[in-house]
Amino acid sequence: DVKVTQSSRYLVKRTGEKVFLECVQDMDHENMFWYRQDPGLGLRLIYFSYDVKMKEKGDIPEGYSVSREKKERFSLILESASTNQTSMYLCASSPPGEWRGYEQYFGPGTRLTVT
Amino acid sequence: GESVGLHLPTLSVQEGDNSIINCAYSNSASDYFIWYKQESGKGPQFIIDIRSNMDKRQGQRVTVLLNKTVKHLSLQIAATQPGDSAVYFCAECSPYDKVIFGPGTSLSVIP
Repeated sequence: DVKVTQSSRYLVKRTGEKVFLECVQDMDHENMFWYRQDPGLGLRLIYFSYDVKMKEKGDIPEGYSVSREKKERFSLILESASTNQTSMYLCASSPPGEWRGYEQYFGPGTRLTVT
Repeated sequence: GESVGLHLPTLSVQEGDNSIINCAYSNSASDYFIWYKQESGKGPQFIIDIRSNMDKRQGQRVTVLLNKTVKHLSLQIAATQPGDSAVYFCAECSPYDKVIFGPGTSLSVIP
């Protein structure tokens, strides 16, 4: 059974803290994604990585950075958390190919609250 | 405190009835489409996909219809069950470009 796991299901942080969200996939996928999900807005892409140490900004990268040191692990970093970063964060992975959404698998999500 | 977000469109159906969930996509260059189901507290789960060279594709109790002329996608669920209650959203893909997700529709099944 394919798996994308995220380090925390729920996280509460204070404004200004540095926050690390970890994602691990066991499918040997080249592509990994971090999305943010807010009610009525759909999933919005924060960052995309197509290989180890490679990354590409998504639609809303401001306030975030990422790290991909190993193929199976993709980390999202909030350098200084703010209340407007309270959201559900979803990690996903997919194999390389014509469509990034093809065989894209999602993790269970991390609900982050910044107070 | 909590922010007030936008509310999702909601579809309520009686158990056993058929459900139809609609999606308008935005990019004329999109040629691959996916429907996802997201249950409360879980990540999105793939249901069915369709390529632009098809108008219809059937799975187990689900059918996706694609109308490229009006850029419209629909998901039909036959004999809806309580376990089908979830948020459903579509996604559109174009070659070597980002995936665009719809905002979703909340399906509520009345027993």
